[in-house]
Amino acid sequence: GIQVEQSPPDLILQEGANSTLRCNFSDSVNNLQWFHQNPWGQLINLFYIPSGTKQNGRLSATTVATERYSLLYISSSQTTDSGVYFCAVPTDSWGKFQFGAGTQVVVTP
Amino acid sequence: DTGVSQDPRHKITKRGQNVTFRCDPISEHNRLYWYRQTLGQGPEFLTYFQNEAQLEKSRLLSDRFSAERPKGSFSTLEIQRTEQGDSAMYLCASSPGQGVEKLFFGSGTQLSVL
Repeated sequence: GIQVEQSPPDLILQEGANSTLRCNFSDSVNNLQWFHQNPWGQLINLFYIPSGTKQNGRLSATTVATERYSLLYISSSQTTDSGVYFCAVPTDSWGKFQFGAGTQVVVTP
Repeated sequence: DTGVSQDPRHKITKRGQNVTFRCDPISEHNRLYWYRQTLGQGPEFLTYFQNEAQLEKSRLLSDRFSAERPKGSFSTLEIQRTEQGDSAMYLCASSPGQGVEKLFFGSGTQLSVL
């Protein structure tokens, strides 16, 4: 099945810093989603991005499907950005998703 | 839109007991998913429904696991004769049901098997 790899596994940022998270996938996909899991376990859908670039406030995401990777940018990080970021790609046409292992982000004041 | 609701939020049980979790999807969402997440890992697919029809079950779902979605509304996930290896966060998600779409997750049920 399709493999999803995320890097780095852990990231410590000082408040206000910028950072980039990466998601590589082993096969062609027509969709990709980024999620943020907060410290209470809630998974929030950040982006639904098959290709190109999308922006949502201080966050933006770019997917280059032909090169099998996606990037999530966090700018001017805040402590509320702490948590685990997951990317997920579909493995069938019914919406079953394969998740990466995540990037644990800690933003310090 | 009240979001995906899961109950209970936490469950502690003794090995060998049966447990049942409930998920209420976003209203009018036809597709419902169950995922399992262990510490330090991403969610792993267990099973999903299109309305009341169960489309697929992962190999992770042993015979001790059963999921239902009667009438295509809420869903239940039952684990019989729980084992310590069943300890995990059980996550439910829903989507409108028009192909590959944005997933909306509930807060999960954290199961601890002693």
